[in-house]
Amino acid sequence: GAVVSQHPSWVICKSGTSVKIECRSLDFQATTMFWYRQFPKQSLMLMATSNEGSKATYEQGVEKDKFLINHASLTLSTLTVTSAHPEDSSFYICSARGGARETQYFGPGTRLLVL
Amino acid sequence: SQQGEEDPQALSIQEGENATMNCSYKTSINNLQWYRQNSGRGLVHLILIRSNEREKHSGRLRVTLDTSKKSSSLLITASRAADTASYFCATDGNTDKLIFGTGTRLQVFP
Repeated sequence: GAVVSQHPSWVICKSGTSVKIECRSLDFQATTMFWYRQFPKQSLMLMATSNEGSKATYEQGVEKDKFLINHASLTLSTLTVTSAHPEDSSFYICSARGGARETQYFGPGTRLLVL
Repeated sequence: SQQGEEDPQALSIQEGENATMNCSYKTSINNLQWYRQNSGRGLVHLILIRSNEREKHSGRLRVTLDTSKKSSSLLITASRAADTASYFCATDGNTDKLIFGTGTRLQVFP
């Protein structure tokens, strides 16, 4: 199957700082990437959908100015959590889908802890 | 919320037994997918079943789909300790987005 990587795998930061998470498709071109958030023992909740070269589409309740998404190339999307607060601590997972593929391929996730 | 529901929420079985997880969803779909997640890790795609399919097999996995009842089931036969994980169904809701179910945490004891 296709491989998607995320970096970093975990990050600890102070409240008020910004954190950038990268999502890369390693062996295919991802026309669409998705960002999810998962709290402990809960399911994945879609935050936003990003298509290469266009603005991301955010789900209801997700602040676009707080969670900045950039999909600058067919293999890279970034999520920046701006002015992070402890309640932003979570597991962030990206997925990527290429062309006519029906399947989303998921990255290994990034665990964010905001102190 | 359009989120689907899975039951049971948690399932504990012995190695060698079969594990059955059920998923119900709310919208019409093009396909339904099952994913596996080991604790604190990303998701691994297991199987995709299209809306015009009723059953699909992959190794020890068997998935059924009943679109009239908006439900699906995942059967893992002859379970192994390594099957211990959380299992999620996900539907596309006739869009390009996946809507995940609440998940079933499976524990397989050796």
